[in-house]
Amino acid sequence: SAVISQKPSRDICQRGTSLTIQCQVDSQVTMMFWYRQQPGQSLTLIATANQGSEATYESGFVIDKFPISRPNLTFSTLTVSNMSPEDSSIYLCSVLMADTQYFGPGTRLTVL
Amino acid sequence: SQKIEQNSEALNIQEGKTATLTCNYTNYSPAYLQWYRQDPGRGPVFLLLIRENEKEKRKERLKVTFDTTLKQSLFHITASQPADSATYLCALERTTDSWGKLQFGAGTQVVVTP
Repeated sequence: SAVISQKPSRDICQRGTSLTIQCQVDSQVTMMFWYRQQPGQSLTLIATANQGSEATYESGFVIDKFPISRPNLTFSTLTVSNMSPEDSSIYLCSVLMADTQYFGPGTRLTVL
Repeated sequence: SQKIEQNSEALNIQEGKTATLTCNYTNYSPAYLQWYRQDPGRGPVFLLLIRENEKEKRKERLKVTFDTTLKQSLFHITASQPADSATYLCALERTTDSWGKLQFGAGTQVVVTP
């Protein structure tokens, strides 16, 4: 199994600013993912972050808006850039180990 | 693109009864389908995975069925308990060649009353 922590757990930000979310895993994993869960909705995949390669983004998400780093096999960051109120969501990282996907607790972001 | 449908109405059920949740998808049959539990303010927790060549899978009080002809999965919680109250999500892989990239349904909230 994998234990995942995220920082910050929540934040309130002003529009136009940026926030970097950290994801730490207690074991080395190759595949890491970032999801967004908007209020009252389900999870939507933002991008896949594999160590040693550029992140791959899903349709509707771009690197300029959501730059991702993956410096090693236990850590990743997601930045939400130039924020607007529409970016208010819960952002979750997850890792894939064997057939099981483990999720972090999420970062609740509110943009004013 | 794949569309995943779960009953958006909350399922209210009495303790001890069986809760049955439905997950329907519209396009290709995925290689596997997963069910997760999500509590308020927390990330989803993996419960069960069922592959396309499996009809049924069980884990303790949980049972999942997978009918690729109907394009449907059923999730059962037997002998339900108040602690089972949560939102339950089904998930399929994003595309046929994208291992680990999950597409989630909107989830069904289950409320178990004593």
